[in-house]
Amino acid sequence: EDQVTQSPEALRLQEGESSSLNCSYTVSGLRGLFWYRQDPGKGPEFLFTLYSAGEEKEKERLKATLTKKESFLHITAPKPEDSATYLCAVQAGDDYKLSFGAGTTVTVRA
Amino acid sequence: EPEVTQTPSHQVTQMGQEVILRCVPISNHLYFYWYRQILGQKVEFLVSFYNNEISEKSEIFDDQFSVERPDGSNFTLKIRSTKLEDSAMYFCATSSFHYEQYFGPGTRLTVT
Repeated sequence: EDQVTQSPEALRLQEGESSSLNCSYTVSGLRGLFWYRQDPGKGPEFLFTLYSAGEEKEKERLKATLTKKESFLHITAPKPEDSATYLCAVQAGDDYKLSFGAGTTVTVRA
Repeated sequence: EPEVTQTPSHQVTQMGQEVILRCVPISNHLYFYWYRQILGQKVEFLVSFYNNEISEKSEIFDDQFSVERPDGSNFTLKIRSTKLEDSAMYFCATSSFHYEQYFGPGTRLTVT
């Protein structure tokens, strides 16, 4: 069974204080690793897909990287509007379903 | 920007009643999914649907659940006899090919 573990569970940052979120995975035959943002009471919002080790994607203050065992989501100089839960999910083997981690809840204080 | 829509946003039902949750996918997407998220827990896969048939389903998706695309646009999830433990947010997601899945805003189902 696919295992996706995210750490830390929660992260409190001061505005402008950069940090990283971790997603470690144990799967057989990774097809893709996905990052989503989820605001309270809303659906996951797609951010990035990473397909192979060494790949990096950037969007505004967010940068996602991938190794053979884990992915990092770096938040550079965060703003209060970056406060959300960030979800990591994997797609593996012959399956197209997404297996999600529990998420990291980021709170950015002004 | 195209988006997935879901109705209703909130459904309250009594245990044992049938509910139908509706989703309108992004227009050129061919792959459809249902996920659920119990309060405070992970997002869990229920079922995927392509070419008018189920392509994958999880252990959660038992005989009480069914999906269909009744009119070529809507994609529905039916729960025949709801249980208290079915209370959750239900998300529809769609994709073109098997790449990024785009999620709708969800339906909050409350079973009393």
